[in-house]
Amino acid sequence: EAEVAQSPRYKITEKSQAVAFWCDPISGHATLYWYRQILGQGPELLVQFQDESVVDDSQLPKDRFSAERLKGVDSTLKIQPAELGDSAMYLCASSPRGLATQYFGPGTRLTVL
Amino acid sequence: GQQLNQSPQSMFIQEGEDVSMNCTSSSIFNTWLWYKQDPGEGPVLLIALYKAGELTSNGRLTAQFGITRKDSFLNISASIPSDVGIYFCAGQLRFGNEKLTFGTGTRLTIIP
Repeated sequence: EAEVAQSPRYKITEKSQAVAFWCDPISGHATLYWYRQILGQGPELLVQFQDESVVDDSQLPKDRFSAERLKGVDSTLKIQPAELGDSAMYLCASSPRGLATQYFGPGTRLTVL
Repeated sequence: GQQLNQSPQSMFIQEGEDVSMNCTSSSIFNTWLWYKQDPGEGPVLLIALYKAGELTSNGRLTAQFGITRKDSFLNISASIPSDVGIYFCAGQLRFGNEKLTFGTGTRLTIIP
């Protein structure tokens, strides 16, 4: 069964350092999403890609966060510099073109010390 | 951001009991999805609903797309230990925009 892959699964970093997360969506899925999930809450959308183009990044803190999907397949989310408040689960999801049915990866648990 | 209201926030049940939870909103949704999330893992899609009034089952799970399109319901029959986790509803507000709005979650605990 096709799955969304994410790495690393866990990341511990010190504040002011740079971190990067990688996501490989289900093959053929045109739409890719990055979410942030605070413990005890639902996921909140950071950025949505359609192929290689950003569709929605209204909730992405652009002063420190960046995301790219250069070839319209896998994607990287970067935080520079990391702050204590960035500690959270970062989830990647993908969906077929035109459908809202999203499939999530296992997530990356970020801890900023 | 906007989130859907899920009820109850948490449930403590005994193994074998049936479970019901719901998700409500003041807005009309075009698609409803139900996910289950285990600790430290990403949400797993359980059921997708695409039409008002639709009733869909996945094993012991049954979900319904409310007729008003402002709510959805999830039932679990004869709960087992592996049902423990957090259940999230999610809705798509507008066709043509795949963005989902997520509920606040229902935490299910099974009492030994």
